[in-house]
This record gives sequence, structure tokens and C-alpha cells, in this order.
Amino acid sequence: EADIYQTPRYLVIGTGKKITLECSQTMGHDKMYWYQQDPGMELHLIHYSYGVNSTEKGDLSSESTVSRIRTEHFPLTLESARPSHTSQYLCASSATGKQPQHFGDGTRLSIL
Amino acid sequence: GQQVMQIPQYQHVQEGEDFTTYCNSSTTLSNIQWYKQRPGGHPVFLIQLVKSGEVKKQKRLTFQFGEAKKNSSLHITATQTTDVGTYFCAGYGPGSARQLTFGSGTQLTVLP
Repeated sequence: EADIYQTPRYLVIGTGKKITLECSQTMGHDKMYWYQQDPGMELHLIHYSYGVNSTEKGDLSSESTVSRIRTEHFPLTLESARPSHTSQYLCASSATGKQPQHFGDGTRLSIL
Repeated sequence: GQQVMQIPQYQHVQEGEDFTTYCNSSTTLSNIQWYKQRPGGHPVFLIQLVKSGEVKKQKRLTFQFGEAKKNSSLHITATQTTDVGTYFCAGYGPGSARQLTFGSGTQLTVLP
């Protein structure tokens, strides 16, 4: 099984709070991704990174931001959470080239 | 940009019946990957196809990549309740394309 970890698994928090979702992988993968997914629905790419200090926005516009200071770590931050941010956030990584993606267990975020 | 569509969106079958999901891309793909996401879980990589017309089998699952490398299918023979979940195809564009595009997914329900 892939070694990619997300914390927290579940988060219920009030509107206006700053949130950071953590994602770490121990496989040395250069490529990392954040997806937003409602239950049973499409995966929407919101951010990706091809290496340290490289980040790009994905297909779905998101108010979140990401950073990639270390290869293994790719946190996602929401400066001011809103109810519309309620969703599941999945982190993934892959090796260089056209390789499969390995997903973490996800963070289920509920904004009250 | 590249679009990958899957049909059907939902499929209910009786246990023991066969199931097929179809994946169609707006552009030629360099490879096609298939993932399975169990309810409440995260996508898990199943298989990758690279060659035109390629067919691969995993027990009751048969994967096919079209001759034109623009479509793919996943067929499950004699479904079991353990097959329940959402099946996603995903493909890389041709040449140096670096981004994996996921299909919209097919949710499979298997009735006992």
C-alpha cells in the first residue's frame, strides 16, 4: 500500500477559521496533487506540484492555497473557511513520468 | 483542453450479472489508467494500458484500450457485492503532456 498520509481525517469547524490540511508522502514522489470530491462524484483537481517550489492551480477554481517547501510535504490552506468549502479533500502523489497516482485517505471537511 | 467522459454515470446490477463502463476521450491518449473507489474510501489504482488495442485481465475484470487510443472499457463478469464502488478512468494526453485527466466515474451498485 502507498505511503501517503493526510491529517486530519475529519474536521468540523466554524465559518471564518483558518484551516490547514496536511499531506505527506514517504515515496520520494516529485508530483503531488490536491483534489476536491463530493461523495461518489467527480474528482476535481484544485492544485498540483511537480517539485519543490513549484505549484500550479488545477482545473477547478479554489480559494485555497498550497506550498511545496519539501518534497514529502504538500499542505493546503484555507484562510477563511466558508460553508461552500464543505467537501472531501484528497491528496495524491505520483512518480515522474506518466505513472499512476497514489491517494491518501482524504480529509472530510465540514464548515458550519 | 482534454476531456474524458464515462458512461453510464450510475449502474445497478443484480449480483452475478455482468457490468461494463465506457470511457471516451476528446483527444488521443498516451495511456489509460483505471481506479476503483469504494464507498467512503479513496481511489485505488487498478491497471494501466499503453498500447493500441491492448486487453488486460485481472480475474473477473477485463480492461480494453481502443485502437485509436481515444476510448477504453472495463468489463466485470459475474459481479459480486465486493465490486461495489465508483470506477474512474484517467488518461495522459499524447507526447509530453504531464497532467492526468480523470473521467467522471461510474457508480456501481450490486444488489444481493
